[in-house]
Amino acid sequence: DAGITQSPRHKVTETGTPVTLRCHQTENHRYMYWYRQDPGHGLRLIHYSYGVKDTDKGEVSDGYSVSRSKTEDFLLTLESATSSQTSVYFCAIWDNGHPYEQYFGPGTRLTVT
Amino acid sequence: QKEVEQDPGPLSVPEGAIVSLNCTYSNSAFQYFMWYRQYSRKGPELLMYTYSSGNKEDGRFTAQVDKSSKYISLFIRDSQPSDSATYLCAPDQGAQKLVFGQGTRLTINP
Repeated sequence: DAGITQSPRHKVTETGTPVTLRCHQTENHRYMYWYRQDPGHGLRLIHYSYGVKDTDKGEVSDGYSVSRSKTEDFLLTLESATSSQTSVYFCAIWDNGHPYEQYFGPGTRLTVT
Repeated sequence: QKEVEQDPGPLSVPEGAIVSLNCTYSNSAFQYFMWYRQYSRKGPELLMYTYSSGNKEDGRFTAQVDKSSKYISLFIRDSQPSDSATYLCAPDQGAQKLVFGQGTRLTINP
């Protein structure tokens, strides 16, 4: 357990509303990631962070923004949610002590109606 | 073409069978190859990883990489119902990033 929590765990929202998902870690890892998981697509990287205020885009970043003002928190924002953003969102960290291992949080199930 | 291709299954086998899970990839620069296991409604967990070509064994699990054909395999011997999960291959893309296959959903029937 790498001390990763995600909130909320479940959310239903309407099209056009803003949504923010939070990832919190307790072990001071530098790298943090947001993925989405959809049937037939596996895990796809949305954004990642390599330090406070240092972020970069992943494969499917359109419609998403992120912020990291503290080491322990990485926020994912959907500025105006669409039905295509209905998915399960996972946060992950890169374990400093195990260089090829990413630890994942429990996931957030988001439904956009 | 995706960088990593994995048959999504589903794959259903009887308990005790040998299971073979496979991925192909296109980027010859990949050096490390990870296998993750994901139980239903949980986050993925690292199962094992291999470096470059060759085999690596861990209990009932064997990971195999053939870089010449860009083919990654995971074998499970004496499969158990507790092995029922989705298995994702994930080559290391470099710069602390992984690229994941689609995942294969496996069910072991008692």
